[in-house]
Amino acid sequence: EDQVTQSPEALRLQEGESSSLNCSYTVSGLRGLFWYRQDPGKGPEFLFTLYSAGEEKEKERLKATLTKKESFLHITAPKPEDSATYLCAVFWGGSGGSYIPTFGRGTSLIVHP
Amino acid sequence: EPEVTQTPSHQVTQMGQEVILRCVPISNHLYFYWYRQILGQKVEFLVSFYNNEISEKSEIFDDQFSVERPDGSNFTLKIRSTKLEDSAMYFCASTPPAGTYEQYFGPGTRLTVT
Repeated sequence: EDQVTQSPEALRLQEGESSSLNCSYTVSGLRGLFWYRQDPGKGPEFLFTLYSAGEEKEKERLKATLTKKESFLHITAPKPEDSATYLCAVFWGGSGGSYIPTFGRGTSLIVHP
Repeated sequence: EPEVTQTPSHQVTQMGQEVILRCVPISNHLYFYWYRQILGQKVEFLVSFYNNEISEKSEIFDDQFSVERPDGSNFTLKIRSTKLEDSAMYFCASTPPAGTYEQYFGPGTRLTVT
C-alpha cells in the first residue's frame, strides 16, 4: 500500500481552466511535505515545502496548501508551459534519527492551448 | 544559479559489471541523497548521507550499493554487480544547511544494464 497517494493520475485542462491536484499521506512523524515539477527525462524541480497544517505557499499560478493528512496543489489559469508531472513527497521520521523521503506516483498534467 | 551536476548522463553496462555514478552537489549543501526512478514509475529513495556517513537507507539500498564522498565536492554511488533490474534513472540531490529539507535534484544518469 502506497504511503503517498496522488490523484488524479492524469489531468487534461484547457488553457485558463483552473484545477487542483491532491496528495494524501499515511506516514507518521511528518517533517514536511514537498511539491516538485518533473519534465520528461529530467530531475524533479523543487516548488514548495509545507511543514504544518494550515500552511499555504504560492508561486506564480501555483498555490499549495496542507491539512493534517493531505495537500492540494491549486493551478490557477494554467498555461501550456505548466504541462509536466507534479510530484508530492513527504519527509517523515526515520529510525536513524534522520528522515525518510517518500514520493507519490505523480499527476501528469497536460494543458491544451 | 548553482546546480547539482551528474555524470555521465547515460551509462550502458553489462550485467555483473560495477558502475560508479558521480554527482557534484551544490557547494554549501550538507545533506546528499541518491534516488532512482525506473521508467514510468515513482521516484524511490535509496540513501541519504550527512557528515560523511549514511543517515538513512531504504530496503533497495542493499550490499550491492555503496556511497562515498571521496573529496569535498564529489558524491558517488557505486553498484558492485549490476542486474537487469538496476536499469533506471538515478538522481542525486542535495539540501542546504538551513534545515529546510528542500532538495535540489541533478539532471540524472540513465543506467542501462544489458
